[in-house]
Amino acid sequence: DTEVTQTPKHLVMGMTNKKSLKCEQHMGHRAMYWYKQKAKKPPELMFVYSYEKLSINESVPSRFSPECPNSSLLNLHLHALQPEDSALYLCASSQGLAASLDTQYFGPGTRLTVL
Amino acid sequence: AQRVTQPEKLLSVFKGAPVELKCNYSYSGSPELFWYVQYSRQRLQLLLRHISRESIKGFTADLNKGETSFHLKKPFAQEEDSAMYYCALTDSWGKLQFGAGTQVVVTP
Repeated sequence: DTEVTQTPKHLVMGMTNKKSLKCEQHMGHRAMYWYKQKAKKPPELMFVYSYEKLSINESVPSRFSPECPNSSLLNLHLHALQPEDSALYLCASSQGLAASLDTQYFGPGTRLTVL
Repeated sequence: AQRVTQPEKLLSVFKGAPVELKCNYSYSGSPELFWYVQYSRQRLQLLLRHISRESIKGFTADLNKGETSFHLKKPFAQEEDSAMYYCALTDSWGKLQFGAGTQVVVTP
């Protein structure tokens, strides 16, 4: 399996809901990432996990809560989101051996709409 | 602070014509530079990276440290090259920073 998978593909939620996004890879990668991409904009880094530990948090609001249960899985828990959080959420993974030299492999994304 | 600049939002070229996408960067250390591509309804994927010095799908990119540029070139554009192209760099922590992107449209 050489792909990063993400579920669900689409998610619509209200501002009071709690939901989770899921990302999975079976390439043996040890670094995983969450990005947010607004329409016609480049992806913006949110979080980086390296060897299942959070290594970078780009000052993301606490209504986004990442979790890395094991080396293959990455979750993003969502609570009390705002309409401006509507975006495409991308997951990526990389080998994690030499961070700056790693190629990141992206999932197809989850299209999130907050009503 | 690191920055990646892609000055062209949209590049329209005829099939068979050369295409060049500009990318300039600012970074205090030695960055690793990438070109990522996003075809319509497909995921973001790596096109090429500086360290590999490869030619992928006929595209090449040369790092010019003096001009801090990493322009992407292809001598003869094909219709299947129509896509969004992002130049990006990573810092020592693996933080990938993207430029604003250039939409390439190849017309027959």
